[in-house]
Amino acid sequence: EAQVTQNPRYLITVTGKKLTVTCSQNMNHEYMSWYRQDPGLGLRQIYYSMNVEVTDKGDVPEGYKVSRKEKRNFPLILESPSPNQTSLYFCASSPSGRGSYNEQFFGPGTRLTVL
Amino acid sequence: AQRVTQPEKLLSVFKGAPVELKCNYSYSGSPELFWYVQYSRQRLQLLLRHISRESIKGFTADLNKGETSFHLKKPFAQEEDSAMYYCALATDSWGKLQFGAGTQVVVTP
Repeated sequence: EAQVTQNPRYLITVTGKKLTVTCSQNMNHEYMSWYRQDPGLGLRQIYYSMNVEVTDKGDVPEGYKVSRKEKRNFPLILESPSPNQTSLYFCASSPSGRGSYNEQFFGPGTRLTVL
Repeated sequence: AQRVTQPEKLLSVFKGAPVELKCNYSYSGSPELFWYVQYSRQRLQLLLRHISRESIKGFTADLNKGETSFHLKKPFAQEEDSAMYYCALATDSWGKLQFGAGTQVVVTP
């Protein structure tokens, strides 16, 4: 089945403990992106990637890192998580490098709690 | 700076009544606008985009550049339309996509 997968789906951690949320797509999409969803704020873009080895900042990149070493994977790394990073995180992918101009396909979300 | 505003957090309508979700944007260039929808226990998915000029599930949206708006409309709401709706703006950077805060629609029988 063509889809975007995220792992883990739920994570509770403590301040300062490095973590990685994985995102993988099996649709050979060029573009991938990470968002966080917070009540009253909607979705805010963290980072995006138009192709392998090409990443760029979204609107809220502070405290996050990403890498795009292969087309299918786009992990989100929190080197030193803080409570204000408690949120619901979504990964998305899109067929072409002009990702924001095309339909984006979303993963199921990862609910992260940082204590 | 680019911005998307959805002024209504919650819209409650009766089945069969018209529904309109407001979306206003600020962007000086040529915008690409979208409506995404998230039904209960489902993934966020594209509902429609202005460039397609099509009607999906009875919904339409017209880009009004003069009023910088992209309101979503449906003449007769159905219970299955109950969901969270997000307006989104893509700009010339191709990579960035900005979402509004979302509007929760509840359709009651």
